[in-house]
Amino acid sequence: NAGVTQTPKFRVLKTGQSMTLLCAQDMNHEYMYWYRQDPGMGLRLIHYSVGEGTTAKGEVPDGYNVSRLKKQNFLLGLESAAPSQTSVYFCASSLDRIDTQYFGPGTRLTVL
Amino acid sequence: KQEVTQIPAALSVPEGENLVLNCSFTDSAIYNLQWFRQDPGKGLTSLLLIQSSQREQTSGRLNASLDKSSGRSTLYIAASQPGDSATYLCAHLKSYGQNFVFGPGTRLSVLP
Repeated sequence: NAGVTQTPKFRVLKTGQSMTLLCAQDMNHEYMYWYRQDPGMGLRLIHYSVGEGTTAKGEVPDGYNVSRLKKQNFLLGLESAAPSQTSVYFCASSLDRIDTQYFGPGTRLTVL
Repeated sequence: KQEVTQIPAALSVPEGENLVLNCSFTDSAIYNLQWFRQDPGKGLTSLLLIQSSQREQTSGRLNASLDKSSGRSTLYIAASQPGDSATYLCAHLKSYGQNFVFGPGTRLSVLP
């Protein structure tokens, strides 16, 4: 089992460009999450999904959109990237909201 | 807004020492608590999950305890090794309907 995978691993964007980050899990988990990690800030929840076709806002959702068309995939989109979105993005999944979360390796995004 | 703090922010110890990492929450209502390890440039790996009905969990040289009355959790690492060097994060779940909130982490260095 691959667990949770994320693509790409690194990306550099110019302000105003768009991109999509892909997260995939092979554990048949219902819940999936997108976090961003910034120095000294810990992990902050951007959006999450409680099942195929459902998404919800987290703590810092502005500037991001998500979709979960298939149970195993959770996409994070940036429509118009801003320098404030420079961060490391982590995807995670869990069987239930209260259960152990399994994390992907992260995507390091730089917006110039 | 619930906040999670971790003390100390960084810790350096010689190999073989027993050590304690602390995690505290502004709101003492606790449903679940997780401890994670993060190696540089990598994702998070779950170490221990303490359910609401439990007071502690153990895995090998790691022991995590939870004191709901004081809103605190401690992670005890016995006989530390250089391989334990990493950042340790705690995550607090206030109630079932909410999401985990992460602390900023404690960066641990175990010197050979």
